[in-house]
Amino acid sequence: GQNIDQPTEMTATEGAIVQINCTYQTSGFNGLFWYQQHAGEAPTFLSYNVLDGLEEKGRFSSFLSRSKGYSYLLLKELQMKDSASYLCALTSGTYKYIFGTGTRLKVLA
Amino acid sequence: DAGVIQSPRHEVTEMGQEVTLRCKPISGHDYLFWYRQTMMRGLELLIYFNNNVPIDDSGMPEDRFSAKMPNASFSTLKIQPSEPRDSAVYFCASSGRERVLYGYTFGSGTRLTVV
Repeated sequence: GQNIDQPTEMTATEGAIVQINCTYQTSGFNGLFWYQQHAGEAPTFLSYNVLDGLEEKGRFSSFLSRSKGYSYLLLKELQMKDSASYLCALTSGTYKYIFGTGTRLKVLA
Repeated sequence: DAGVIQSPRHEVTEMGQEVTLRCKPISGHDYLFWYRQTMMRGLELLIYFNNNVPIDDSGMPEDRFSAKMPNASFSTLKIQPSEPRDSAVYFCASSGRERVLYGYTFGSGTRLTVV
């Protein structure tokens, strides 16, 4: 089976840096995805990690440690528009994702 | 490309009625997924198709739920009879072979309320 844990909510200030953690247990691993979902909208793809290490995409970076079952999403220079839910998702050898329940990030002015 | 198109955007129905949700995937995508999202359980995979063939329906809650994909450009999710606990946002998503670069593309969702 698979299990994914993320904090339910986080708050940060505009311009700051925030790290959103995701820990998982899985019997097989084929990649970890991060999605952003604004309230009332569809999830949108942010990043994909399959090997250990850091993947950087502009203000967003994602890190993976397969041995520790751990990933994080790092958001720099926070903007108000970054207020959203951030979903961690696993794949395990098939094309289906299993999603965590998400972390709701509030960015304060 | 218009993206993944779902209809209707909102559906309010009475308990016991049949509900049909529709999805048009992105042209050329060979995988199609149906998810359900609630506050309590997050995004749950219901079923997915590859080249119009159902591959894994282990997430379908019970026999009241059924899904079809008669061709590469259309899929339906049907609930019959509907119950209040089916109230949720239902997302359709599609993916091509470049999923590791672009992930899934989700539709805007159908917000279903069963009263």
